[in-house]
Amino acid sequence: EAQVTQNPRYLITVTGKKLTVTCSQNMNHEYMSWYRQDPGLGLRQIYYSMNVEVTDKGDVPEGYKVSRKEKRNFPLILESPSPNQTSLYFCASSPGQGKMNTEAFFGQGTRLTVV
Amino acid sequence: QQQVKQSPQSLIVQKGGISIINCAYENTAFDYFPWYQQFPGKGPALLIAIRPDVSEKKEGRFTISFNKSAKQFSLHIMDSQPGDSATYFCAAVYVSHYKLSFGAGTTVTVRA
Repeated sequence: EAQVTQNPRYLITVTGKKLTVTCSQNMNHEYMSWYRQDPGLGLRQIYYSMNVEVTDKGDVPEGYKVSRKEKRNFPLILESPSPNQTSLYFCASSPGQGKMNTEAFFGQGTRLTVV
Repeated sequence: QQQVKQSPQSLIVQKGGISIINCAYENTAFDYFPWYQQFPGKGPALLIAIRPDVSEKKEGRFTISFNKSAKQFSLHIMDSQPGDSATYFCAAVYVSHYKLSFGAGTTVTVRA
């Protein structure tokens, strides 16, 4: 089954404790991205990656890091989480830049609480 | 600053009624306009999309109307059903850069 898999689905952590949210897709998509969803703000892009070893900042990158060492994986790293990073996070993948099919496929989401 | 403005924030409609959600954008570089549907506990999923060279696209009970000169587009849900109760996001995409900007979302509740 074609899918984007995020782990964990739920996470409660304390301020300053480094964490990683994993994302994996099995559709051989070139493009992957991370979003955070907050009430009244919709989905805001954190980071995106056009292909392996190519990443760039989205609209709200502060406090986050990403890496793209393999095509299928795109982990989101919070080096020192703070309470304002409490949010619902989504990973998404798409076939690639300029392709006619620009549909984004989303994972199930990770609800992060930083106390 | 939100590049795509969406309204209303929420709406309630009776079964069989019409739901209308409106979006507006500023950046004329956007060249693809999808709508995503999100159910509680799930990620958003593509519902319907339109390119700016057409004024309307219909798929079943869902229709996008697009007004390029006004830089506005809307989603109409005809004959709304309880199963349509979800949050709907409009989006605008700059395809060559794959820059995807979402609206704030509209929660639709269809009462039986």
